[in-house]
Amino acid sequence: NAGVTQTPKFRILKIGQSMTLQCTQDMNHNYMYWYRQDPGMGLKLIYYSVGAGITDKGEVPNGYNVSRSTTEDFPLRLELAAPSQTSVYFCASSDRRGFQGGYGYTFGSGTRLTVV
Amino acid sequence: GESVGLHLPTLSVQEGDNSIINCAYSNSASDYFIWYKQESGKGPQFIIDIRSNMDKRQGQRVTVLLNKTVKHLSLQIAATQPGDSAVYFCAETVTSGTYKYIFGTGTRLKVLA
Repeated sequence: NAGVTQTPKFRILKIGQSMTLQCTQDMNHNYMYWYRQDPGMGLKLIYYSVGAGITDKGEVPNGYNVSRSTTEDFPLRLELAAPSQTSVYFCASSDRRGFQGGYGYTFGSGTRLTVV
Repeated sequence: GESVGLHLPTLSVQEGDNSIINCAYSNSASDYFIWYKQESGKGPQFIIDIRSNMDKRQGQRVTVLLNKTVKHLSLQIAATQPGDSAVYFCAETVTSGTYKYIFGTGTRLKVLA
């Protein structure tokens, strides 16, 4: 059981370039999330999805886009990379039980992105 | 190298001692809380949870205390081991809400040999 898989693990982008961070889960979870983690800061929610075809903004959505065409996949798109987007990005998933007791989110291992 | 957590509050404890990590949560309506452990280069992992109708919950070597009056959580780790070195986050949610967790800033725990 792979859980939540993120690719790539590391990436360096030049200012203005675009890229997609991939996230796939094999647990049939309805809820998926993208967080960013900056040094000295907690996890900030970028976007989330409560099911295929449904997405919504989190705390820090500017500069990002998402789509959720399938239950398994929740890619995060950066259209015009900026140095402020240098961060570690985590994808997470959950089902309803994760909010009613048990384990919360299942996180991926993260993507470390540097924009230069 | 690890850039995450360089500027976080740090708690240094001697191996074998007990550790207490604190967290202030933000939403008085939150009714479910989790402590996560994040090791270098990995995503956060579930440690222990507690519901708002409880004041204390114990796991294996870990205890979580909840004080709703002052919106405060603590994580106690007994007989701290080198493998406990990590960044620890608390997270809160409203179980009847929008299925999102809010995370605290985190505390780095360093275990000294």
